[in-house]
Amino acid sequence: QVQLQESGPGLVKPSETLSLTCTVSGYSISSGYYWGWVRQPPGKVLEWIGSIFHNGITYYNPSLRSRAIISVDTSKNQLSLNLISVTAADTAVYYCARPDGGSFQYWGQGTLVTVSA
Amino acid sequence: DIVMTQSPDSLAVSLGERATINCKSSQSVLYNSNKKNYLAWYQQKPGQPPKLLIYWASTRESGVPDRFSGSGSGTDFTLTISSLQAEDVAVYYCQQYYSTPMYTFGQGTKLEIK
Repeated sequence: QVQLQESGPGLVKPSETLSLTCTVSGYSISSGYYWGWVRQPPGKVLEWIGSIFHNGITYYNPSLRSRAIISVDTSKNQLSLNLISVTAADTAVYYCARPDGGSFQYWGQGTLVTVSA
Repeated sequence: DIVMTQSPDSLAVSLGERATINCKSSQSVLYNSNKKNYLAWYQQKPGQPPKLLIYWASTRESGVPDRFSGSGSGTDFTLTISSLQAEDVAVYYCQQYYSTPMYTFGQGTKLEIK
């Protein structure tokens, strides 16, 4: 059973970098599949942030204007998200998820990150 | 970008009645090579991550009750709940994966009991 668990600070100051980690269990990241991050501002819609293939190839939502960086650490079976120069608009629940053929079959429980001074 | 537009934004249906949610994509999500529609539906309850209900527009995920069904092709899709149960109260999202590994979601439809 594939399980994903997000972790990281719940509060980030404006203009700083949001850093999250997703620990995967039940499947080795290095075995394949894309892995992604999706966020959801409070009361709002789901927004795909970006995806990374097990070999490190990344794709990002153009709306984030190159602020997002996703990486994998296969030795720890983790993927990470760094979002630079955050503003209040980046306040959201951040999910890591694994698409299976394109639809997201596996999701973490999500972690709320608030951007505030 | 492929834009996904759902209708209605909210819906109230009586228990046991049919609920219908629509999703329209700004371009076709049907791949002619395999005749598959790259469209999924999710259910999200408060405080929970989205749950995959339907993929390839009409294939139910394992464990999803058969009162949930998906239909449509090309740019127009429908999620139908044949007989609404209390536990179906949620927000429902469609998602295209035609442009995998880049994805877009609809704005969501909030389903309530009338």
